[in-house]
Amino acid sequence: KAGVTQTPRYLIKTRGQQVTLSCSPISGHRSVSWYQQTPGQGLQFLFEYFSETQRNKGNFPGRFSGRQFSNSRSEMNVSTLELGDSALYLCASSGEDTRGEKLFFGSGTQLSVL
Amino acid sequence: AQTVTQSQPEMSVQEAETVTLSCTYDTSESDYYLFWYKQPPSRQMILVIRQEAYKQQNATENRFSVNFQKAAKSFSLKISDSQLGDAAMYFCAYKVGGAQKLVFGQGTRLTINP
Repeated sequence: KAGVTQTPRYLIKTRGQQVTLSCSPISGHRSVSWYQQTPGQGLQFLFEYFSETQRNKGNFPGRFSGRQFSNSRSEMNVSTLELGDSALYLCASSGEDTRGEKLFFGSGTQLSVL
Repeated sequence: AQTVTQSQPEMSVQEAETVTLSCTYDTSESDYYLFWYKQPPSRQMILVIRQEAYKQQNATENRFSVNFQKAAKSFSLKISDSQLGDAAMYFCAYKVGGAQKLVFGQGTRLTINP
């Protein structure tokens, strides 16, 4: 099985722009979650989608949004980019049994905001 | 709120020796899971080992094992016969059963000396 695929790997934007990141989960996985990784704040949970519905949300401003499609692929959008949004954005997928399910991560998208 | 603490920002070990990484967590939940993830320079988060809180037996995966002390809320990772490929950032993580939100520690950078 192919792993979790995130595109693009690198992205450079300027303040005020918006950006969309993509995540394709492992085949058969229905849960997709997003994390932001920065040197200062570490790894922080953004949100999770399951069967096209947002099931859990972290403590991020409304500029951060996401969605999930019927094929479980997910997109994350950040509007009105700020310098502090520069980070590695990681996506993780897991199977239908979410109780103790292992989360499998992609290689991330490195976003730089200039 | 659940928190995860890794008190060792950096550790180093000689190749072929054993090293232990520390992790403590705080939770009032009874149904939870603990994980160790490895993040090499490629940035992909790789699952090393998982522990179910309801299991008394410590999890093991080849050269990797944990010491799970539930009452003390401690979850350390032991790497035996360290190899150069083990060099990476190691993150301890926690999640409540049934939820896909991982709470991460700040990480420990492990260096393997040849």
